[in-house]
Amino acid sequence: GAVVSQHPSWVICKSGTSVKIECRSLDFQATTMFWYRQFPKQSLMLMATSNEGSKATYEQGVEKDKFLINHASLTLSTLTVTSAHPEDSSFYICSARKNSGNQPQHFGDGTRLSIL
Amino acid sequence: QQQVKQSPQSLIVQKGGISIINCAYENTAFDYFPWYQQFPGKGPALLIAIRPDVSEKKEGRFTISFNKSAKQFSLHIMDSQPGDSATYFCADILSGTYKYIFGTGTRLKVLA
Repeated sequence: GAVVSQHPSWVICKSGTSVKIECRSLDFQATTMFWYRQFPKQSLMLMATSNEGSKATYEQGVEKDKFLINHASLTLSTLTVTSAHPEDSSFYICSARKNSGNQPQHFGDGTRLSIL
Repeated sequence: QQQVKQSPQSLIVQKGGISIINCAYENTAFDYFPWYQQFPGKGPALLIAIRPDVSEKKEGRFTISFNKSAKQFSLHIMDSQPGDSATYFCADILSGTYKYIFGTGTRLKVLA
């Protein structure tokens, strides 16, 4: 199997708070993980690529100081939304791919973030 | 800009019918062509994928057909069930990277 666990599944917090989302590959090692954002009834939009032991690479238009990514081990990547505001409310999804060869991405169940 | 064109955007099928979703890609370097299934409030789950050296792959009620010359692949859901009601995404890979480019998604509703 290829299980990716994402936590928390749902978070509500006040504007100005920082929120950390964890993404874990439970039964495989993942040098590379990805963070996506999805708006209602839309496709997934890649925000950044998380690389174990090195800096994340961000897609155009994504603020790296706003969305901090840390990939400290082969099974864990974290996304921190700093000083969150209502416009950051969205569904955030991570994915991971196995290290060997060109493997499909496996996704977590997403985190629903609501900023009041 | 590399794109993935998916059709239709939405699909309504009677229970027991066949659901067909199509995807047109650009990058022929992809090692596999996946379909993902996403239920509301959940992340996408890999449903089925096909390698480019194979023209068809079947897993239960789900079949992928691959047409390399036309750069298209399709998902067929036989004997569609209400539990298949979900959004389906195909994906291509951005040339020279492991990054996915997703199709726009197809919202399937299977009527009981």
